Amino acid sequence: DTAVSQTPKYLVTQMGNDKSIKCEQNLGHDTMYWYKQDSKKFLKIMFSYNNKELIINETVPNRFSPKSPDKAHLNLHINSLELGDSAVYFCASSQGLGYEQYFGPGTRLTVT
Amino acid sequence: AQSVTQPDIHITVSEGASLELRCNYSYGATPYLFWYVQSPGQGLQLLLKYFSGDTLVQGIKGFEAEFKRSQSSFNLRKPSVHWSDAAEYFCAVRFTGGGNKLTFGTGTQLKVEL
Repeated sequence: DTAVSQTPKYLVTQMGNDKSIKCEQNLGHDTMYWYKQDSKKFLKIMFSYNNKELIINETVPNRFSPKSPDKAHLNLHINSLELGDSAVYFCASSQGLGYEQYFGPGTRLTVT
Repeated sequence: AQSVTQPDIHITVSEGASLELRCNYSYGATPYLFWYVQSPGQGLQLLLKYFSGDTLVQGIKGFEAEFKRSQSSFNLRKPSVHWSDAAEYFCAVRFTGGGNKLTFGTGTQLKVEL
């Protein structure tokens, strides 16, 4: 009964590769998010979608592209991976704007 | 500028002792306030939230937090800590006009001594 799930849990890849992380929520929420947690455990929002519409797009390199095929899914595609992209990426969802967010288990991305 | 501060990077308490984790924010109005816990290798779990009303809020796992407007603080407390409470604790704030974006503090690592 996982509420917010992410795949894969671990991702190891080389510089220059393109990779995707998938996120799915079964809570019936309208809003989904991507956060990045760096090596010092600092969390920062990257993107947010509300009803499949992009509403938050922080200062993120355009190598990162979110895609929301439907309200239950928000995927993150990363082109031309760099060493600095190594981090844990968390997906989250909320009932709508103004509601608490529920987080997935995270995807640890390691770029070598 | 809007910011969230958790002054304590590490805290060590003995099992059974009381706990208080500090969180301060910089903002002119009253934001929405949250505490999350992250166990090693895990995602973030919502402990409690404050939107409005009673300034003392109860959460899961025996945690509570008190919002003090005059001090711009939202400190997390637990009267008796269990060894399983050892984790990283994050205070998060939703400032208005941010599209429900959460701004996180830098976290407090809690160690529990048996």
